Amino acid sequence: GAGVSQTPSNKVTEKGKYVELRCDPISGHTALYWYRQSLGQGPEFLIYFQGTGAADDSGLPNDRFFAVRPEGSVSTLKIQRTERGDSAVYLCASSSGSGGASNEQFFGPGTRLTVL
Amino acid sequence: SQKIEQNSEALNIQEGKTATLTCNYTNYSPAYLQWYRQDPGRGPVFLLLIRENEKEKRKERLKVTFDTTLKQSLFHVTASQPADSATYLCALDDGYSTLTFGKGTMLLVSP
Repeated sequence: GAGVSQTPSNKVTEKGKYVELRCDPISGHTALYWYRQSLGQGPEFLIYFQGTGAADDSGLPNDRFFAVRPEGSVSTLKIQRTERGDSAVYLCASSSGSGGASNEQFFGPGTRLTVL
Repeated sequence: SQKIEQNSEALNIQEGKTATLTCNYTNYSPAYLQWYRQDPGRGPVFLLLIRENEKEKRKERLKVTFDTTLKQSLFHVTASQPADSATYLCALDDGYSTLTFGKGTMLLVSP
């Protein structure tokens, strides 16, 4: 596609529910990142994929958060037993080459998650 | 981990002036430093990347400097326009393969 897309754009859920957020990266980009952004803050790194494997998941806050990228393209961020503190905008980004800080990242518009 | 400081107060300037935004970091010097622009309700958009061995980088009306002694990067927007109004984010590599972002500084350019 022309850019990184994320669905849904908005998600409202109740505390304790399970949610899945989807990211479609730019075609051919092997590196994919998930970030979380709270109001007034910069994006906070969650997890980085190189191809199908999670190269760095050190940013995941706890074991309620999990992400997959089974075919090396689309990725899904999964959050179990959601808490009100999980409310934020979840951003996905992709980059070409080996990824990492030497490459520019292309961001999607984000999914705004609200946990009531 | 890296700590990044960007001025949390909005920078208000008049159209045509040069805006200068600051990014300070406190730990190790990164190999790369990137600047992004973010508009409300949208994801960040990449602007410039500067390497540790580069002092300055330019792109159209944008200029970035990188001083590893001061642990600081300056981001300049020359001949600013109202369309430049946005939040500007500084991001540094964490020594591995990911970026750490600052909180960003909002720039407001009035006509």
